Amino acid sequence: GAVVSQHPSRVICKSGTSVKIECRSLDFQATTMFWYRQFPKKSLMLMATSNEGSKATYEQGVEKDKFLINHASLTLSTLTVTSAHPEDSSFYICSAGQSANTEAFFGQGTRLTVV
Amino acid sequence: QKEVEQNSGPLSVPEGAIASLNCTYSDRGSQSFFWYRQYSGKSPELIMSIYSNGDKEDGRFTAQLNKASQYVSLLIRDSQPSDSATYLCAVTGSGGYNKLIFGAGTRLAVHP
Repeated sequence: GAVVSQHPSRVICKSGTSVKIECRSLDFQATTMFWYRQFPKKSLMLMATSNEGSKATYEQGVEKDKFLINHASLTLSTLTVTSAHPEDSSFYICSAGQSANTEAFFGQGTRLTVV
Repeated sequence: QKEVEQNSGPLSVPEGAIASLNCTYSDRGSQSFFWYRQYSGKSPELIMSIYSNGDKEDGRFTAQLNKASQYVSLLIRDSQPSDSATYLCAVTGSGGYNKLIFGAGTRLAVHP
């Protein structure tokens, strides 16, 4: 099956610093990838749609200047949390699918802790 | 109104029983429906996908879809303690292309 790899799996950073999370499709090309955030005991909330070669589309309430998304190739999307604060601590997960309206596969997720 | 609704549970069933998980959605344009299983601290894992009305069986799992009622369910037969997890219902919105809208999830506990 399709494999999506996410890195790092865990990161602890100081308040005010920036953190980059990578999401790679390992055996297929993904023109579109998705970034989700999940708080403890809550469901996944879609943050943005990452589009290869163009700007990301952000969901309402998500600050695009704080959560920078770059999708420079057909197999890689990155999410950078800029000037991180403790309230940004969360589980961030990316997903990608091989084609429209088929199942999406998730990366392993990144546990971000801002201290 | 939430787009995808699930009972948060916990749903507790004895080992060997059938667990029934339900989900309703609001967007009539939704085309694809998925059930994911998520263990605590882990990423969601795809269990079933269903695209047309009726039943779809895969091993101990059966997904049921009724588009007229905007309802999708997951049955787990012969439930095992290892099935204990949160089950997330997800649908693609009218925009399609794997943009999944998730329900809040139902926590399932299978006790020996």
